[in-house]
Amino acid sequence: GAGVSQSPSNKVTEKGKDVELRCDPISGHTALYWYRQSLGQGLEFLIYFQGNSAPDKSGLPSDRFSAERTGGSVSTLTIQRTQQEDSAVYLCASSQGRTGDLYGYTFGSGTRLTVV
Amino acid sequence: AQSVAQPEDQVNVAEGNPLTVKCTYSVSGNPYLFWYVQYPNRGLQFLLKYITGDNLVKGSYGFEAEFNKSQTSFHLKKPSALVSDSALYFCAVRANTNAGKSTFGDGTTLTVKP
Repeated sequence: GAGVSQSPSNKVTEKGKDVELRCDPISGHTALYWYRQSLGQGLEFLIYFQGNSAPDKSGLPSDRFSAERTGGSVSTLTIQRTQQEDSAVYLCASSQGRTGDLYGYTFGSGTRLTVV
Repeated sequence: AQSVAQPEDQVNVAEGNPLTVKCTYSVSGNPYLFWYVQYPNRGLQFLLKYITGDNLVKGSYGFEAEFNKSQTSFHLKKPSALVSDSALYFCAVRANTNAGKSTFGDGTTLTVKP
């Protein structure tokens, strides 16, 4: 597609429920990133996929968080047993190749998650 | 390890005046440095980058940034601010040895008043 597409744009869920957030990167971009933007805080790195390599999961805050990328394209971020502190905007970005990020990430519009 | 500091949560300037948004960084190895902008109700957009070469880099919308290795800084500048420059600005860094993953600062809100 022309840009990075994320869905849903807004999600309100009850504490304890599981949620899935979807990211569709730019076609041909082999690198995909998930970041989290909490109110009053910067972007927090969550996970990075590069081609067929094992993902860098070093930013996932707990084992309730997981992500997968199917067929080297679409990615799903899953949060199990959501907590109120999970409320944030979840941003997905993509770039081309191992050094494509040197041209800057292309970000999606994000998913605003609210846990009530 | 890599980190970024944006020491100012907010910067206020009058339209037509020069603006500076500060950023300092820490990395092991050589840094790749980036500025991104987030306009209200819009996604993050790449603004400019320093990879190598000239310390002064120019980007979109008349913005520029100066890489200063001795001070480990990469301040964003614009000679004459516009009201439409009002937005949230993020500095990011990645070590040249740390493939792909950039670390972002906490952001600085720039408000340009007419």
